[in-house]
Amino acid sequence: NAGVTQTPKFRALKTGQSMTLLCAQDMNHEYMYWYRQDPGMGLRLIHYSVGEGTTAKGEVPDGYNVSRLKKQNFLLGLESAAPSQTSVYFCASSYPAGASTDTQYFGPGTRLTVL
Amino acid sequence: QKEVEQDPGPLSVPEGAIVSLNCTYSNSAFQYFMWYRQYSRKGPELLMYTYSSGNKEDGRFTAQVDKSSKYISLFIRDSQPSDSATYLCAMSEGYSSASKIIFGSGTRLSIRP
Repeated sequence: NAGVTQTPKFRALKTGQSMTLLCAQDMNHEYMYWYRQDPGMGLRLIHYSVGEGTTAKGEVPDGYNVSRLKKQNFLLGLESAAPSQTSVYFCASSYPAGASTDTQYFGPGTRLTVL
Repeated sequence: QKEVEQDPGPLSVPEGAIVSLNCTYSNSAFQYFMWYRQYSRKGPELLMYTYSSGNKEDGRFTAQVDKSSKYISLFIRDSQPSDSATYLCAMSEGYSSASKIIFGSGTRLSIRP
């Protein structure tokens, strides 16, 4: 099992350019998440999905869009990148555990720089 | 005020020392409390979680929750250089992680050989 993988690992963009980050998981997890991690801010949830074809906004959704066309993939799009979107982006997935908190498995991250 | 506050460190201790990492929070509805470990340039991994108040032990790690004080701690006994990482506390109101999990900003820990 590869777990959660993210593509690409690094990317540099110019302001106004667009790009898509890809997250894939092979654990048959229902839930998937996109976070951004900035110094002093911790992990902040951008968008999440509780199943194929569903998405929902997290804490900091502005400037991002997502799609979950296949259960194993969760895409994060930046339509017009801004320097404020320079960050490390993490994807995570989890399987609902019912009566106890379920574990989120994180990918290795994508380091994005917007110039 | 942030919902979850965590001292960013860095914290540097000699090998074998007991380490205490802490977080405070303001939302009394939080019921699930987690500690994640994040090695440099890697994604976070869940270390431990506890429900409501009390202690939970797993090997050299002990998680403690004091809901009356809105304070959680992670203790590491017999610390090893391999414990050097950033430790993130996290908490949520509901049992499903689809409900919002709030992360602390992380404490960077370094264990000196």
